[in-house]
Amino acid sequence: GENVEQHPSTLSVQEGDSAVIKCTYSDSASNYFPWYKQELGKRPQLIIDIRSNVGEKKDQRIAVTLNKTAKHFSLHITETQPEDSAVYFCAAFAYSGAGSYQLTFGKGTKLSVIP
Amino acid sequence: EADIYQTPRYLVIGTGKKITLECSQTMGHDKMYWYQQDPGMELHLIHYSYGVNSTEKGDLSSESTVSRIRTEHFPLTLESARPSHTSQYLCASSVRGDNSPLHFGNGTRLTVT
Repeated sequence: GENVEQHPSTLSVQEGDSAVIKCTYSDSASNYFPWYKQELGKRPQLIIDIRSNVGEKKDQRIAVTLNKTAKHFSLHITETQPEDSAVYFCAAFAYSGAGSYQLTFGKGTKLSVIP
Repeated sequence: EADIYQTPRYLVIGTGKKITLECSQTMGHDKMYWYQQDPGMELHLIHYSYGVNSTEKGDLSSESTVSRIRTEHFPLTLESARPSHTSQYLCASSVRGDNSPLHFGNGTRLTVT
């Protein structure tokens, strides 16, 4: 099955700086990579996703890059703000056997933006 | 508004009690999931369903059971609650298909005393 490694587990940045979270995956057949943000006490929410036929996608201050050859993808947040403080999860969608497709999540990165 | 709803939001219960956590979605999604998560920590898949009468166990061994009698409803039951079951339980749903994001409910925070 798929294995997703996420780094770092914690990240502190000064307000206005950039933050980068990296994930690697093991299954070369993985074809969909969403990122979720979970604020304290709230549900995970999809913030951006990328499919395997695209190398980069941007949405305002958030961007995701995908390197299929190296099997890694990254979340980039520019001009960080205190409200970006949250736990971020990457995920990879792949075939998991017996006709089943599943999202496998990384273990999460706790981002703290220091005012 | 189409969404995924979980009740109760918080539950404190004694050891040995039977409990059912409710999850309903009004988005017409075929696939539904239950995750266990300690606050801010890793998401562990405990059950999932591809549609009515379909239920599968996830990666994390769990003493809970699920049922899927209606498309919109996916309740999780613990026959005998234990302190080790204390955690947050997140329900999620998605459309059928390969590249479909999950939509999560607000979760049930369970405490077993």
